[in-house]
Amino acid sequence: ELKVEQNPLFLSMQEGKNYTIYCNYSTTSDRLYWYRQDPGKSLESLFVLLSNGAVKQEGRLMASLDTKARLSTLHITAAVHDLSATYFCAVALGANSKLTFGKGITLSVRP
Amino acid sequence: EAQVTQNPRYLITVTGKKLTVTCSQNMNHEYMSWYRQDPGLGLRQIYYSMNVEVTDKGDVPEGYKVSRKEKRNFPLILESPSPNQTSLYFCASSSRGLAGSYEQYFGPGTRLTVT
Repeated sequence: ELKVEQNPLFLSMQEGKNYTIYCNYSTTSDRLYWYRQDPGKSLESLFVLLSNGAVKQEGRLMASLDTKARLSTLHITAAVHDLSATYFCAVALGANSKLTFGKGITLSVRP
Repeated sequence: EAQVTQNPRYLITVTGKKLTVTCSQNMNHEYMSWYRQDPGLGLRQIYYSMNVEVTDKGDVPEGYKVSRKEKRNFPLILESPSPNQTSLYFCASSSRGLAGSYEQYFGPGTRLTVT
């Protein structure tokens, strides 16, 4: 059974500082996704990582994938209030639509 | 505009009263899924479909049914809802996309309360 773990589950960040959050998964995977969810809203796709060593960046967020360690990291550069949200990683196996999500990490940026 | 729509967005019902939550996508995607989101448990997949008339169970299928008679629609049916099905439900769709990304696009969610 595929398990996806995220840590920490809650992170209070200070504006302007850098942080890294983690996503571990238990079995070999084809694809890893990062999503953002604002309170009361749907999920917004941030990154799709398809291969070992993949790195993608969008604004202050950078995601990377190490398939050998079964680990993805989401690095936040110079946190700002707008980044406050819950971030989910999800892992997929095979060419179907079966995704397994982590429980999410809630980020809160304080002045 | 490319989108996934769900109806209704909010629903309060009573135990045992059959209900259907509709999901429709206009992107010609082959794959569609239903998830439920509960506090502390994250999102869990209920059912997914790889194409018309092809569906399979996700992680928490008990108490739910689905059908995929048309490519654009993937309704979720609760034949006899119970209070433990009170949750926030999301529909999603995807296709193979560039380089096989199968990126999923989520609907706005349906908040269901069963009393």
